[in-house]
Amino acid sequence: DTAVSQTPKYLVTQMGNDKSIKCEQNLGHDTMYWYKQDSKKFLKIMFSYNNKELIINETVPNRFSPKSPDKAHLNLHINSLELGDSAVYFCASSQIRTGKAFFGQGTRLTVV
Amino acid sequence: DQQVKQNSPSLSVQEGRISILNCDYTNSMFDYFLWYKKYPAEGPTFLISISSIKDKNEDGRFTVFLNKSAKHLSLHIVPSQPGDSAVYFCAAQRLRLIQGAQKLVFGQGTRLTINP
Repeated sequence: DTAVSQTPKYLVTQMGNDKSIKCEQNLGHDTMYWYKQDSKKFLKIMFSYNNKELIINETVPNRFSPKSPDKAHLNLHINSLELGDSAVYFCASSQIRTGKAFFGQGTRLTVV
Repeated sequence: DQQVKQNSPSLSVQEGRISILNCDYTNSMFDYFLWYKKYPAEGPTFLISISSIKDKNEDGRFTVFLNKSAKHLSLHIVPSQPGDSAVYFCAAQRLRLIQGAQKLVFGQGTRLTINP
């Protein structure tokens, strides 16, 4: 029974397209995140939501728009995809302030 | 500006011996530190953590040491097992009053290989 699940696992698309990645957690956590792992393997936070409210918005291009329809779901929509958007995107959730986050399996996005 | 650094991209250890993974940080405001383990094509999984008020935390074969004055932490795995082969990420965090405002700042990872 997967705690944090994201779909799709792999996504190959052309430049200029719009795509979405979905994330769901069944842990009952209030906080959800999107992290990006770039080609140099750095994992960096993009967004956090707490109870559907945007809390953290790092310096991410506004082509990236997160949406949280409820506290168990956090989706990531990306407009006008660029080659540099190719990366692995991880969804995560946590409950307490001590940051023990649970991660999904990742979505490998390849823009061609 | 990389606030958390893991200077060893890879480490190879014999099965049964001790594995020591190192991590340095620059931000003295960090007050919670975590280690995550990652297998290929999977997300990071939490391994062990330590608060800045402690200098050691142990969980089975895994021990994390924190040296605040040196801004250095290390993860010891003993004895090392083949299943420990993975990429290990060090992460740091500032505790925040606002739920959701805390974020993990990751190092770039160390690939640990345990040789039989």
